[in-house]
Amino acid sequence: QKEVEQNSGPLSVPEGAIASLNCTYSDRGSQSFFWYRQYSGKSPELIMSIYSNGDKEDGRFTAQLNKASQYVSLLIRDSQPSDSATYLCAVRGTPGGGSYIPTFGRGTSLIVHP
Amino acid sequence: GAVVSQHPSRVICKSGTSVKIECRSLDFQATTMFWYRQFPKQSLMLMATSNEGSKATYEQGVEKDKFLINHASLTLSTLTVTSAHPEDSSFYICSASSGGQHEKLFFGSGTQLSVL
Repeated sequence: QKEVEQNSGPLSVPEGAIASLNCTYSDRGSQSFFWYRQYSGKSPELIMSIYSNGDKEDGRFTAQLNKASQYVSLLIRDSQPSDSATYLCAVRGTPGGGSYIPTFGRGTSLIVHP
Repeated sequence: GAVVSQHPSRVICKSGTSVKIECRSLDFQATTMFWYRQFPKQSLMLMATSNEGSKATYEQGVEKDKFLINHASLTLSTLTVTSAHPEDSSFYICSASSGGQHEKLFFGSGTQLSVL
């Protein structure tokens, strides 16, 4: 059974701070890793994807992947109240197998307070 | 980024009617699409995997005769909720993969179904 674990939160940070969101996964064969942001009543929006170990930066967002530790994180710099949402971690394996079905964590609720 | 279009965004229907939801990949071909259901403040629940040109693969506990999935082309998958009942009221979301080595998964905007 593939699992993706996230702390449900809420994670509360002040405006301008760095928000750190974490995710662990059980399937060592996982190849693709995604972070989504979901506002209440809306569908998830892809904000970062990462495929190899290390850091990947895009604007205020940095995704970090450590396959040996089966750990992926998302850092949000200069957090804004508009970043308040639920952040979903998703993991996917290689094509052709059952692990190719993406597995989602339950999401971490982030609250950025002014 | 790639766009996945989902229609309608909101449906209110009477109990016993059938509702069709469309999911289109607008600028890429998607051999595989996924259908999810999400209840308020709950996590995404995968209902089925839709494969172009073949039968959908349903998750355990999801009634295939209740939730009909058709993936007739590389850009269109439909979910039909047959004989809808109030307990089927939920937020239904599709997603599609852009494929390739560094594939990405994109979501449609979702359909809020309310069955009276």
